[in-house]
Amino acid sequence: GQQVMQIPQYQHVQEGEDFTTYCNSSTTLSNIQWYKQRPGGHPVFLIQLVKSGEVKKQKRLTFQFGEAKKNSSLHITATQTTDVGTYFCAAPISSGSARQLTFGSGTQLTVLP
Amino acid sequence: KAGVTQTPRYLIKTRGQQVTLSCSPISGHRSVSWYQQTPGQGLQFLFEYFSETQRNKGNFPGRFSGRQFSNSRSEMNVSTLELGDSALYLCASSLGGGPTEAFFGQGTRLTVV
Repeated sequence: GQQVMQIPQYQHVQEGEDFTTYCNSSTTLSNIQWYKQRPGGHPVFLIQLVKSGEVKKQKRLTFQFGEAKKNSSLHITATQTTDVGTYFCAAPISSGSARQLTFGSGTQLTVLP
Repeated sequence: KAGVTQTPRYLIKTRGQQVTLSCSPISGHRSVSWYQQTPGQGLQFLFEYFSETQRNKGNFPGRFSGRQFSNSRSEMNVSTLELGDSALYLCASSLGGGPTEAFFGQGTRLTVV
């Protein structure tokens, strides 16, 4: 079925380095959401992108939605140890007559002090 | 506003037993979705309930079932437990107009021995 592919699966960075995770879909998405899950925690909503080419920023985090609305990225500038966790993208994907929020496999970020 | 509450937080069951997990959504939210999270498979969609009706279902065997009550609280049941059912089960609530921002509970950690 339709999926949202996310890469990389793991990323280790030195504190202060940048980090980027990417999501791709073979079909056009109506919107894409990003979540963060801290170790031992639950996913927490970060942001939703809806418009083609949309760019949103939250402090050191920059989210982009591709022009074709088939891909998205999350970029963190100058990572800190508090950024540790798994970042998921999620998008509504049609399944039969309904749409379900389908998650990418996640990128697990480790920040080395 | 209280968040999403899942009970119990931890559960240990024996193969062949059945288990019922509970989820109380955020007040006013009518949609409740259930996900299974395992290290190897990520977040897998189980089903979604809206106004007491199952609106969507993922690719899980019939041993996995759920229901939603008139107050939007939801339960999921797993019968004839298998070792492979060991996972974190997450419940997410949303307003219900579509696959919008999801608010996750802390999850129930199920271990099948």
